[in-house]
Amino acid sequence: GAGVSQSPSNKVTEKGKDVELRCDPISGHTALYWYRQSLGQGLEFLIYFQGNSAPDKSGLPSDRFSAERTGGSVSTLTIQRTQQEDSAVYLCASSSSGTSGSPEQFFGPGTRLTVL
Amino acid sequence: AQSVTQPDIHITVSEGASLELRCNYSYGATPYLFWYVQSPGQGLQLLLKYFSGDTLVQGIKGFEAEFKRSQSSFNLRKPSVHWSDAAEYFCAVGTYNFNKFYFGSGTKLNVKP
Repeated sequence: GAGVSQSPSNKVTEKGKDVELRCDPISGHTALYWYRQSLGQGLEFLIYFQGNSAPDKSGLPSDRFSAERTGGSVSTLTIQRTQQEDSAVYLCASSSSGTSGSPEQFFGPGTRLTVL
Repeated sequence: AQSVTQPDIHITVSEGASLELRCNYSYGATPYLFWYVQSPGQGLQLLLKYFSGDTLVQGIKGFEAEFKRSQSSFNLRKPSVHWSDAAEYFCAVGTYNFNKFYFGSGTKLNVKP
């Protein structure tokens, strides 16, 4: 596709349920990032994938959060046993290089998660 | 620890007036600095970036930013604001290997007619 896509665009769930958020990066981009944007806050780094390297998970707020990236392309962010404080917009970004060059990040439109 | 501070949460300027959005960062090495804009319902769009060289960088939509190492600042400027510039602006710093980006909390810009 022409840009980074994310699905669903909106997700409403009940507290305690698991959710999966999907990100399709720009074709050929080796680096992929997940961020969380809470109301009135900046972007909070969650996780970073670069090629086939082990992901940098240092931003994940708890062990309820996990992410994977299959085949170096599509990524899924999973939140288990959702809590109300997980409500936020989850943004995905990809870039053509995470180690050199001009690592401009291209952002998707985000998934708005609401936990009731 | 790395951090980015945008001290102004909201700014209102009149159309045609000049604009300066402040950004201060804390980073132990040479910073890679970015400004992004987020319009309502839109994703983040890169306005400009600084890696090295000339400390005054030009971006899209008539924006520019100046890197001042002594002040740990990377302020965004525009000489004449248009109503379409109303949006939220985020400053970010990237680590040397670009595996992490730290964002400020954003500045919401309102433009008065």
